[in-house]
Amino acid sequence: KAGVTQTPRYLIKTRGQQVTLSCSPISGHRSVSWYQQTPGQGLQFLFEYFSETQRNKGNFPGRFSGRQFSNSRSEMNVSTLELGDSALYLCASSALRGQGRTDTQYFGPGTRLTVL
Amino acid sequence: KQEVTQIPAALSVPEGENLVLNCSFTDSAIYNLQWFRQDPGKGLTSLLLIQSSQREQTSGRLNASLDKSSGRSTLYIAASQPGDSATYLCAVGEYGNKLVFGAGTILRVKS
Repeated sequence: KAGVTQTPRYLIKTRGQQVTLSCSPISGHRSVSWYQQTPGQGLQFLFEYFSETQRNKGNFPGRFSGRQFSNSRSEMNVSTLELGDSALYLCASSALRGQGRTDTQYFGPGTRLTVL
Repeated sequence: KQEVTQIPAALSVPEGENLVLNCSFTDSAIYNLQWFRQDPGKGLTSLLLIQSSQREQTSGRLNASLDKSSGRSTLYIAASQPGDSATYLCAVGEYGNKLVFGAGTILRVKS
């Protein structure tokens, strides 16, 4: 089974621009989560989508948004980029079992975003 | 707000040694706890998942325990090898598949 894939792997943008990152989950997985990893703040949860609906959101400004398509693929968008948005953006997919029991989250290799 | 702490921040051991990594969390209302490893510049690899109703999980040379009441988990690595060198991350699972991560333990196994 193919793992979680993320595109592009590397991205360089300038302040004020916007960027869209893509994540394809493992086949059959319906939950996709996004995380930001920086040296200073570590790994922080951005949001999670399940069946095209955002179920949970972290403490990030509205410049960070996402969506999920009917095939479970997900995109994340960051508008009006700031220098502090430079980070490794990771997505994870999960099969998500019944209520009260959750499955392992599988992470992709990440997209390294550099904002100049 | 959930806070996850990992001790030690870094660890250097000779090959063959058994070691323990510690993780503590402040809110016991968790769905699960996961241990991951991350190699430099790479994504995360899942090692073990412990459901909130379980006490421990084992995979090969790895054993993870969970004590929800005290807010603690440990990852035991037996007979460490140089290939085990990586950053180990503990994460507690909350509603909606949200993971709250610790800062990680950087492990170096010397040959």
